[in-house]
Amino acid sequence: EDQVTQSPEALRLQEGESSSLNCSYTVSGLRGLFWYRQDPGKGPEFLFTLYSAGEEKEKERLKATLTKKESFLHITAPKPEDSATYLCAVQGGTSYGKLTFGQGTILTVHP
Amino acid sequence: DTAVSQTPKYLVTQMGNDKSIKCEQNLGHDTMYWYKQDSKKFLKIMFSYNNKELIINETVPNRFSPKSPDKAHLNLHINSLELGDSAVYFCASSGHRGSAGNTIYFGEGSWLTVV
Repeated sequence: EDQVTQSPEALRLQEGESSSLNCSYTVSGLRGLFWYRQDPGKGPEFLFTLYSAGEEKEKERLKATLTKKESFLHITAPKPEDSATYLCAVQGGTSYGKLTFGQGTILTVHP
Repeated sequence: DTAVSQTPKYLVTQMGNDKSIKCEQNLGHDTMYWYKQDSKKFLKIMFSYNNKELIINETVPNRFSPKSPDKAHLNLHINSLELGDSAVYFCASSGHRGSAGNTIYFGEGSWLTVV
């Protein structure tokens, strides 16, 4: 069974203070690792898909990386508008497209 | 234009009632899903349909019945609602399930409260 564990559960940063979120996973035949952002009262918003170890993707202040066991979401010089819950999910080889999610990391960036 | 839209956004109902949540996607996708997010924010899949065919049916009480009249719509009907059914239900869609790493796009959610 696919499993995803995210850490920390909550992270408080000062504006401009860079940090990283961790996503550890076990999956049978990784087809994709996904990062989503979820704002309060909203649905998950797609950020990145990573397909194989060593792959990296960037979008504004966010950079996602992938190894065979974990993924990191690096946040460089965050702003208050980056505050949200960040969700990691994996799609396994026998999953028929379904995503298995972690519990999320609640990021709060203070001005 | 909203890509994945679901109605209603908020629903408060009494135990024992039957209710439905409707979902429509205009992305041209052929696979649609229902996910449930509990109070601890864990998102878990409930059902998946591909071209109106049920392909994923996780361990969900049979009081929950999805219906897909066409590949752009996936509705969720819940019979005999219980307090534990209170949660946020998300509809989602993606391209062909066989394609590796298909991105799944989510709707805004339907907040169900059973009292």
